[in-house]
Amino acid sequence: QVQLVQSGAEVKKPGASVKVSCKASGYIFTNYAIHWVHQAPGQGLEWVGWIDTDNGETKYSPKFQGRVTISRDTSARTVYMELRSLTSEDTAVYYCARGELDWGQGTLVTVSS
Amino acid sequence: EVVMTQSPATLSVSPGDRATLSCWASQSISSNLVWYQQKPGQAPRLLIYTASTRATGIPARFIGSGSGTEFTLTISRLQSEDFAVYYCQQYNNWPRTFGQGTKVEIK
Repeated sequence: QVQLVQSGAEVKKPGASVKVSCKASGYIFTNYAIHWVHQAPGQGLEWVGWIDTDNGETKYSPKFQGRVTISRDTSARTVYMELRSLTSEDTAVYYCARGELDWGQGTLVTVSS
Repeated sequence: EVVMTQSPATLSVSPGDRATLSCWASQSISSNLVWYQQKPGQAPRLLIYTASTRATGIPARFIGSGSGTEFTLTISRLQSEDFAVYYCQQYNNWPRTFGQGTKVEIK
């Protein structure tokens, strides 16, 4: 079955960077794009960005543009999201999602001094 | 960007009753809309895509409708497992945008 398995929780200091991974299985990796979604504690869902896993094209939310990079390793069937210059507002669960279909379990990123 | 607005923010419903959730887009998005259900501590789950098509395994009591700028999710005969937060999201334009969510709670 389709699975998206994300890396574990992270604690970072303000100004640092974090890189979260999302490993896919159970389908043809390059047939589906991967989205990343941010959910701050007790808040709603916010789209971060997207990668076409076939050609590597990316698109980002204006809110995160310039601080985020989404990449993929097709041989490892893994997508990465790197977020830089972290602030407390980046404290959130980050989800990867296969198209609009299946979601990873989420990765909690905590930014605290 | 396309702004998605959901109403109401909270809906109090008795088990067995019907719930009607609304979602508006600030510009036409054709039928390029999905509905998600999210329970505490869980990832969102896809319910409806292309505004009215149920995803695999979703019960028939979840009904999506609408096109253009106005969309509705109807949950007939609410069951205990349906109490959750529901989000709409458009995928017609970049950036993708979500509504702020509607919490369906037990009355």
